[in-house]
Parts: sequence; structure tokens; C-alpha cells
Amino acid sequence: AQSVTQPDIHITVSEGASLELRCNYSYGATPYLFWYVQSPGQGLQLLLKYFSGDTLVQGIKGFEAEFKRSQSSFNLRKPSVHWSDAAEYFCAVASSSNTGKLIFGQGTTLQVKP
Amino acid sequence: EPEVTQTPSHQVTQMGQEVILRCVPISNHLYFYWYRQILGQKVEFLVSFYNNEISEKSEIFDDQFSVERPDGSNFTLKIRSTKLEDSAMYFCASKRGRTDTQYFGPGTRLTVL
Repeated sequence: AQSVTQPDIHITVSEGASLELRCNYSYGATPYLFWYVQSPGQGLQLLLKYFSGDTLVQGIKGFEAEFKRSQSSFNLRKPSVHWSDAAEYFCAVASSSNTGKLIFGQGTTLQVKP
Repeated sequence: EPEVTQTPSHQVTQMGQEVILRCVPISNHLYFYWYRQILGQKVEFLVSFYNNEISEKSEIFDDQFSVERPDGSNFTLKIRSTKLEDSAMYFCASKRGRTDTQYFGPGTRLTVL
């Protein structure tokens, strides 16, 4: 069955430090992968997506993610975190079913220290 | 930029009551979804809707739930007799084509007392 694992439930980084949020997926074919961000009380905003091609994808707000098929990973990175990045981050894979429903990971809560 | 909208933002209801959550997807989108997120848990798929019918539903989506696209713009989720465990944030999403990105609404927080 398709699944997504985000091993880190909670991460704290200092403002200005680099960030990497981990995501591992289980999927038979080439996956469609996404990172969404949810600020407190808000909906889900798409940060970036991978469908095919270049395995390093750029997103909004200075985020990037790298697809590594050999490791079944799609880790999210940012070189310098801002206080406004504090939020919950969800990795998701689109199901192989015709509907393309999204299967989400548990989410990682990012706290940013001043 | 077009966006998915949802109303109400917060609904409080008594157990056993019916609720209808409303969504207006992006206008040229063809695929529609409902997801829910129980507090502190991950986002879970409930149902997908395409070509005026349910295309897939999860085991959560039992007979108490129904969806409708009554007028070509709204997309509703009805819970016939709410239970305490239905308390959650409900997200509507839509996308244009099968392999396109899903765009999410801001959610409706449902509280069942």
C-alpha cells in the first residue's frame, strides 16, 4: 500500500539556520510528490511538487526538495529559516488510483527560535 | 489568483444533528475532494468526485456522509447525524486534470458537542 512517513514529528531550529525535513514514501511506480505547509488556523498551501524531470525542485518561500528514488525520499530543505516559517509541514504522494487522491504523512511541526 | 473557498469557517453542532459544509472549487477544475484532519493527526482522504459522481471513497466515508455538486459551482459535504468523533477540520480541494496539483481551501472546523 502507498504510504508516506515523516520521521520527525517536531523540529526546532534557530532563525537563520538551515533546515531539512525528511519524507519517505512507499510507492511502486514513479510518484507524484508534494510538500504542503499549514500555518496555525490556516489551510494547506502548496510549497512545491515533483512530477518528473529534474530531481531538485524549487518551490515558494525559498524552499527546495530533492527526489531520491534510491532512497524513496523527498526531503524538504531551506538554507536559512525565517521566523515566519514556523508551521506544520506535510509531505504527500498522489495515489496511483484514477482519482489521484493525496496520501499524507503525519506532518512535521517546525518551531523557529529567535 | 483563483482559490478554493469554504463556508463556514467554523461550525458548532450538537451530536445527532445534520451539517452541510460548503465549498466553491476553482471554476475550471474537474476533480473535487474532501479531506479531514482530526486535531493533532494527519490529513485523511474522505472522498473524490468527478463527472458528477463519487469516484473513490475511504472507509471513513460511511452512509452518514454524502457529497453533492448541486449547481455546477458548489460542492457540499453532508453529515447526516454527527458524532463526537466527527469533530475535525474538513478541507475541500480541487484540481483541473488527473495529474494536476490539488488546491486546498482554508477548511471548516467542525465541533460536535
